[in-house]
Amino acid sequence: EAEVAQSPRYKITEKSQAVAFWCDPISGHATLYWYRQILGQGPELLVQFQDESVVDDSQLPKDRFSAERLKGVDSTLKIQPAELGDSAMYLCASSLDGTGVNEQYFGPGTRLTVT
Amino acid sequence: DQQVKQNSPSLSVQEGRISILNCDYTNSMFDYFLWYKKYPAEGPTFLISISSIKDKNEDGRFTVFLNKSAKHLSLHIVPSQPGDSAVYFCAASAAGQAGTALIFGKGTTLSVSS
Repeated sequence: EAEVAQSPRYKITEKSQAVAFWCDPISGHATLYWYRQILGQGPELLVQFQDESVVDDSQLPKDRFSAERLKGVDSTLKIQPAELGDSAMYLCASSLDGTGVNEQYFGPGTRLTVT
Repeated sequence: DQQVKQNSPSLSVQEGRISILNCDYTNSMFDYFLWYKKYPAEGPTFLISISSIKDKNEDGRFTVFLNKSAKHLSLHIVPSQPGDSAVYFCAASAAGQAGTALIFGKGTTLSVSS
C-alpha cells in the first residue's frame, strides 16, 4: 500500500539552529500539505501545495519557516532559526486532487524537540 | 476561535460495547467531514468521512452521523475492541472553497478495556 514518507522521524536541535524536514507524498498525489501538531491539539495547516505552487501559506511564520516543492513531487520544510516554541510534531499529508473532496493521507511525522 | 470542537478529551468503554465520539462545528461553510485515528508516534490514519448532503455513512464497525441543523457529528464504533484505543480527531473542510486544508478538533482519547 502506498504511503507518505517523512524523514527524519525524530530531530533534536538547539534553539537558533536550522532544521529541515523532508516529505515524499503518495505517487500521483497533486496536493501536499504540511501540518504542525502541538501536544494536546489537533494538526494545524502550515502550507498547502498544488503541484509545485503554494495554494495557502497564510499560517506559515515566514520570518523563520520556508517550504518548497520544486518539481511538484517531494517537499522540504525548513526552520531557521529554530525557537523553543517550535517543538511539535510536523506532519506531511497528500491527497489526489486538492480541488475536490479527497481524503488526505498522512505520513508518520517528524517529532521536533528544540532545546 | 475553534471552528471544530471535541469537548470530551477522553472516553473509556468496555470491549464489546458502543463507543460514541462527538464533534461540533461552527462554520456553516464546512461541507465535508472526516474522522482520523492516531496512535502514539504515528501520523493520523483516515477512518471514515461524510459529505454534507448525507446524514449517515457506515463502514463496517464505524458509522458517522451528521446533524447539519445542530452542526454536530458523531462517530459510533460497534462493537468496540481494545485495538480501537487511540486518539480520534474530527476534521472538516469547505471543499468548495479555494484551498482544502482540514480543520481539526483537539481530539478525544478512547480507551477500550477488555
